[in-house]
Amino acid sequence: NAGVMQNPRHLVRRRGQEARLRCSPMKGHSHVYWYRQLPEEGLKFMVYLQKENIIDESGMPKERFSAEFPKEGPSILRIQQVVRGDSAAYFCASSRQGETAFFGQGTRLTVV
Amino acid sequence: KNEVEQSPQNLTAQEGEFITINCSYSVGISALHWLQQHPGGGIVSLFMLSSGKKKHGRLIATINIQEKHSSLHITASHPRDSAVYICAVISNFGNEKLTFGTGTRLTIIP
Repeated sequence: NAGVMQNPRHLVRRRGQEARLRCSPMKGHSHVYWYRQLPEEGLKFMVYLQKENIIDESGMPKERFSAEFPKEGPSILRIQQVVRGDSAAYFCASSRQGETAFFGQGTRLTVV
Repeated sequence: KNEVEQSPQNLTAQEGEFITINCSYSVGISALHWLQQHPGGGIVSLFMLSSGKKKHGRLIATINIQEKHSSLHITASHPRDSAVYICAVISNFGNEKLTFGTGTRLTIIP
């Protein structure tokens, strides 16, 4: 049973480009969470999804950011028109209802 | 004031010492996590607890719900324990998003 898989591990984008971050949850996990860790800062919640539904997106910036967790395939965090301030580590976690969450290795986004 | 406070922010100790990291929170919670993050690395969930005490190897986590306080202890610390330890809480039943403390950077000197 593979753990939570995130790819790519490292992503470099120029300002104005789009960034797509992928997260495959652990088998049997229907809950996916995205968190962001800005340089020298703590982790912050972004969005909570279940299959085909966004449950809580209170931590998502209102513009340029979107997330999905389709019926088939990985969860995607999409950042349009990236800016330098988007440079961060983005972590995905998955869980079953009421059980401990497992984290992926993260995607480190660098905007140049 | 953050909902989750950790202390100390930084901790340096000699190999073999007993380590305690503290976490206080100000909201009602359904569960609390202790996480470990190595430099440049991913995040590992060490414990999830909602009451009492849990032990795994040299790690022990305790929680006091009435006092809204949790501690993580490491016995016989080792340089490979050097990492950032993060306390995180789940405050809403049915929505298990985590609210994180700022972390404790632990360095164990051989």
